[in-house]
Amino acid sequence: GDSVTQMEGPVTLSEEAFLTINCTYTATGYPSLFWYVQYPGEGLQLLLKATKADDKGSNKGFEATYRKETTSFHLEKGSVQVSDSAVYFCALSEANSKLTFGKGITLSVRP
Amino acid sequence: GAVVSQHPSRVICKSGTSVKIECRSLDFQATTMFWYRQFPKQSLMLMATSNEGSKATYEQGVEKDKFLINHASLTLSTLTVTSAHPEDSSFYICSAPRQGVGNEQFFGPGTRLTVL
Repeated sequence: GDSVTQMEGPVTLSEEAFLTINCTYTATGYPSLFWYVQYPGEGLQLLLKATKADDKGSNKGFEATYRKETTSFHLEKGSVQVSDSAVYFCALSEANSKLTFGKGITLSVRP
Repeated sequence: GAVVSQHPSRVICKSGTSVKIECRSLDFQATTMFWYRQFPKQSLMLMATSNEGSKATYEQGVEKDKFLINHASLTLSTLTVTSAHPEDSSFYICSAPRQGVGNEQFFGPGTRLTVL
């Protein structure tokens, strides 16, 4: 079955540091890939997505590229801010709209 | 953006009682909603797909008689945890895909259930 593996957390960075959160997936077909973010006390929000190989999703300074050859969708940001502190989930969806999530990783950014 | 609400946000109940959790899409209609369960430091696990006007579709291993789902209208789905036990304590989250927005799913803030 489908699965998503995220790097273990939590991650603590200083403001303006570079961020990489690894995500790899296993899927039977050709899934769409997502990054969701959950800020404290709020529901999950879509951060970015990519629907086919080599697509790059980007939003709020975050980027992730759909790499079919390495089955990866790593999240990056060049300079994190305190307001980026949240839990980040990598997810995939096949044609039926069902989402399969990774475990999530907590990011804390220090001023 | 689209908003999905859940009620209650937190509930504590005694073992053996039933608890109802509501999921509402506030500014769009949703013929389908999804219910997830999240254990501490674990990923969201899809429990079931709630379908307006028909029976819910349950994922393998989820007891349909334990977790009753009713999609009462195009904006409301309810999850009832029947005869709750401490092992049912968890964080329950619903989501609803909005057509016309690439079927993007919008998530509720979650309900923390604690069964004593």
